[in-house]
Amino acid sequence: KAGVTQTPRYLIKTRGQQVTLSCSPISGHRSVSWYQQTPGQGLQFLFEYFSETQRNKGNFPGRFSGRQFSNSRSEMNVSTLELGDSALYLCASSETGLADTQYFGPGTRLTVL
Amino acid sequence: AQSVTQLGSHVSVSEGALVLLRCNYSSSVPPYLFWYVQYPNQGLQLLLKYTSAATLVKGINGFEAEFKKSETSFHLTKPSAHMSDAAEYFCAVRGHTDKLIFGTGTRLQVFP
Repeated sequence: KAGVTQTPRYLIKTRGQQVTLSCSPISGHRSVSWYQQTPGQGLQFLFEYFSETQRNKGNFPGRFSGRQFSNSRSEMNVSTLELGDSALYLCASSETGLADTQYFGPGTRLTVL
Repeated sequence: AQSVTQLGSHVSVSEGALVLLRCNYSSSVPPYLFWYVQYPNQGLQLLLKYTSAATLVKGINGFEAEFKKSETSFHLTKPSAHMSDAAEYFCAVRGHTDKLIFGTGTRLQVFP
């Protein structure tokens, strides 16, 4: 099976803009989770979607949002970008949810100038 | 609340030497523990996981980890380091809401 794919791999934006990241899970996986990785804060959980519904959410402001489509593909949106949003955004998929083994994609490197 | 602590942000070994990456956990319930590896400019790859079936867990690429409840540890080892093992390694515990809680990572350098 193909692994988790994320597009784009690299992105450069300026403060105040918004950005949308995309994640395609492993075929058959219905759960998609998003994580933010920064040198200062490490890996932090953003949210999880299952069957088009957000089931779990981390401690991030409302500027961070997501959605999941009927084919399990997921998008993450960040509005009004701040310098501190510069990070590697990782998507992970699993068959049934967070209690299942998470398989990670290569990430999208977002740089906010 | 569950948490993990990785001792040593950087570990350097010679090729062929033993690799030992330390992870201690805190959990009020029997933990589910994981080790992930991250190569440069890549995502996380699962090395191995502990789910209470056996205390010694064997993973991919020759890595293994031993769950020691008395020491609240889940250290990662490999008998003989290879240059291709150079990467960042993350220990993680599944939290009470099933979210993965990661340690701060240990960067492994392997010298020839």
